[in-house]
Amino acid sequence: ETGVTQTPRHLVMGMTNKKSLKCEQHLGHNAMYWYKQSAKKPLELMFVYSLEERVENNSVPSRFSPECPNSSHLFLHLHTLQPEDSALYLCASSQDPLGGANYGYTFGSGTRLTVV
Amino acid sequence: AQSVAQPEDQVNVAEGNPLTVKCTYSVSGNPYLFWYVQYPNRGLQFLLKYITGDNLVKGSYGFEAEFNKSQTSFHLKKPSALVSDSALYFCAVRALYNFNKFYFGSGTKLNVKP
Repeated sequence: ETGVTQTPRHLVMGMTNKKSLKCEQHLGHNAMYWYKQSAKKPLELMFVYSLEERVENNSVPSRFSPECPNSSHLFLHLHTLQPEDSALYLCASSQDPLGGANYGYTFGSGTRLTVV
Repeated sequence: AQSVAQPEDQVNVAEGNPLTVKCTYSVSGNPYLFWYVQYPNRGLQFLLKYITGDNLVKGSYGFEAEFNKSQTSFHLKKPSALVSDSALYFCAVRALYNFNKFYFGSGTKLNVKP
């Protein structure tokens, strides 16, 4: 385990469903991120939270709604998704401005989302 | 514009042979450079980083990478590949001026055949 835990590992949902992805980190980091990984495409940064405030929103559709209630938890609320939203959603954390064991990000294992 | 390029979608190498996975970057100022590895259905795992100092950095699982400032490259290398090294490898650069910006390459699939 990396210290960043994502649940669930797999999720299948219909286009009219509402679901949430959860991310939890026990590393004492102060920044958390959501990334989308689709086949044969670069990693797409979706949201950045630093000190529990959203500092980045990379033109993500409103059907994705993040929530960061505290520095250890990050959620991604999903509603009325499209089949093209099927992907691996990765959570990451880091210590900013720059720190942590490797100066980089620590990633969770991801949630494999399938929209049917 | 800031970017990271991994020119090869896939690299094939025989077990025991040396491997190289290429990465070039474009970023303002001095970059922090990283390599991550991703196994199927898993998140990205940190392999190694270059921050400052010696241009040759050593990381996990026998991997190393060479920072070349003039060529703006940070190629990943290993002297002797293992079948278990087969995975997806991502190069990434973190801009010194904006710590929230972490640019990833598109990934290179490494296939090591027995």
